[in-house]
Amino acid sequence: QSVLTQPPSASGTPGQRVTISCSGSSSNIGSNYVYWYQQLPGTAPKLLIYRNNQRPSGVPDRFSGSKSGTSASLAISGLRSEDEADYYCAAWDDSLSGSNWVFGGGTKLTVL
Amino acid sequence: EVQLVESGGGLVKPGGSLRLSCAASGFTFSSYSMNWVRQAPGKGLEWVSSISSSSSYIYYADSVKGRFTISRDNAKNSLYLQMNSLRAEDTAVYYCARGMTTVVTGADYWGQGTLVTVSS
Repeated sequence: QSVLTQPPSASGTPGQRVTISCSGSSSNIGSNYVYWYQQLPGTAPKLLIYRNNQRPSGVPDRFSGSKSGTSASLAISGLRSEDEADYYCAAWDDSLSGSNWVFGGGTKLTVL
Repeated sequence: EVQLVESGGGLVKPGGSLRLSCAASGFTFSSYSMNWVRQAPGKGLEWVSSISSSSSYIYYADSVKGRFTISRDNAKNSLYLQMNSLRAEDTAVYYCARGMTTVVTGADYWGQGTLVTVSS
């Protein structure tokens, strides 16, 4: 079971806006930055969002991130077929047992 | 262009050892923390270990603590993962990923991964 909780699946039609949630706790999302990664089938993960809501250069502004308290979300607007992929949230978790980088279980996005 | 190329994966018997390497290029290696992240077949991402730019800070997931050792050679622009006492559940693609600062933090660039299979 993952420390960060994501829905296992999400779907939308081309042009739609979809959001993927990521729920954590005060020791991870509540006190550290959130990162989002996109993983296309058979490829390495790609950074989509860092520091909660920042986009690396080259990532379309259709992708946006937000954080509130111990939850975060990734929004994809103007959905395209090439957005079909697995999406993971991540954050550092600072607990009494030490620091760990934790991931959500991943959300498989289907473009209908 | 940032490039990370993993090597050293393969088939190993339970209880065996393997050393993974990650060759970095296209950036000042000594200025960035580095990470190992793995993905079991058909599963999600799992963090394995992280090391700060000067090797002063090292972190391990509980699942590998005491069995795996992360290290780096800034002169050779290389990251390593020594894996001992391997178990079937260590079977995964292992990714090398660059941290975004000198201290351990989230990763931006990822290599293509190297497959480690632990089986008798």
